Amino acid sequence: EDKVVQSPLSLVVHEGDTVTLNCSYEVTNFRSLLWYKQEKKAPTFLFMLTSSGIEKKSGRLSSILDKKELFSILNITATQTGDSAVYLCAVEARGNNDMRFGAGTRLTVKP
Amino acid sequence: DGGITQSPKYLFRKEGQNVTLSCEQNLNHDAMYWYRQDPGQGLRLIYYSQIVNDFQKGDIAEGYSVSREKKESFPLTVTSAQKNPTAFYLCASSNPFNPRSGNTIYFGEGSWLTVV
Repeated sequence: EDKVVQSPLSLVVHEGDTVTLNCSYEVTNFRSLLWYKQEKKAPTFLFMLTSSGIEKKSGRLSSILDKKELFSILNITATQTGDSAVYLCAVEARGNNDMRFGAGTRLTVKP
Repeated sequence: DGGITQSPKYLFRKEGQNVTLSCEQNLNHDAMYWYRQDPGQGLRLIYYSQIVNDFQKGDIAEGYSVSREKKESFPLTVTSAQKNPTAFYLCASSNPFNPRSGNTIYFGEGSWLTVV
């Protein structure tokens, strides 16, 4: 059965810290892995990863995919209180549009 | 502006009543989805539709029904058969046949359903 597992489920850090969020998956015919940030309501798109070893960056956020080991990490450097959110990982399989989400990692950044 | 509109944002329902959540998109996306989110949990797929007049059950379809009569609309009905309907419901859409965007999903703002 396809599944997506995120860790840790919850993380509390102080401003300026660097965090790494993990996402492992088991999906038949993997097509892409996506990261979303969810604050109060709807998730907002961060990254889409399809190839191993190619880092995607956006400001202080970066992500990379390892298709051999079946996981991805999301890094946030120099965290700010505005980074506090639930970060969701989702995996899509080819020919099957039921995008699978992990349970999310709740990140709290304290001043 | 293009986007996904869900309504209502907040809804209260009495036990035993059916309720329909609306989802409309003007992004010209082929695929649409309904997810349910409970506190401390990730998004769980209820139903999805890849094309008009076609839809598939997700992981937790029991107690729900959908229709896809128009490309831009994908309403979700929460029936009285759904035992624990109180949750946050998210509608989403994507264009999986676009080679540039892949299957990036775009979400609506969500609907809070509370059974009283």
